[in-house]
Amino acid sequence: EVQLVESGGGLVQPGGSLKLSCVASGFTFSNSWMHWVRQAPGKGLVWVSRISSDGRTTTYVDSVRGRFTVSRDNAKDTLYLQMNSLRVEDSAVFYCARSAYNFMDVWGKGTTVTVSS
Amino acid sequence: DIVMTQSPDSLAVSLGERASINCKSGQSVLYSSNNKTYLAWYQQKPGQPPKLLIYWASTRESGVPDRFSGSGSGTDFTLTISSLQAEDVAVYYCQQYYSIPLTFGGGTKVEIK
Repeated sequence: EVQLVESGGGLVQPGGSLKLSCVASGFTFSNSWMHWVRQAPGKGLVWVSRISSDGRTTTYVDSVRGRFTVSRDNAKDTLYLQMNSLRVEDSAVFYCARSAYNFMDVWGKGTTVTVSS
Repeated sequence: DIVMTQSPDSLAVSLGERASINCKSGQSVLYSSNNKTYLAWYQQKPGQPPKLLIYWASTRESGVPDRFSGSGSGTDFTLTISSLQAEDVAVYYCQQYYSIPLTFGGGTKVEIK
């Protein structure tokens, strides 16, 4: 079964850091570009970042560039999102998703990040 | 950035009736070199992650019921549910993947009348 499982969410104070993980199974992770997408409570979907299959190419939405870093460990079938200088407006469910021509054909269940003092 | 605008924000349809959701992109998402339209549709049920329904504007993902169809070209697109079922209650999103940043529409909530 093709599956993505996120973890690492939690409560963090403004200005703090958090690192999300996404473990892939059921497909050849090292061949797949991957995305992070977030969804604030009661709001719509916002694309955050993508990373190439070899990890050499990364792209970010303007609102997180310079604060978030996407990376991957293909030996561990794991995608990461390091989030620094977190803001209240970063509070959201974060989904990892497999990329197919830049649409998302497999999604994880998400992990919740809450930024609050 | 390509702005994606969906309409309506919500709609209520009787069981077995047709539901149509519109999506307009701020610029064409047709890539002329390959004649492909870079538009996808997703369904998100309460408490669940999004699920891919349609890509390339009209190609149904494997396993998606054939009552779901996508149409349109250039900048105007439609997701149609030909005969609404109870399990189709959800929020539906369009997404362009023509250019970075990837952008989604604001979503359309479909309910049973």
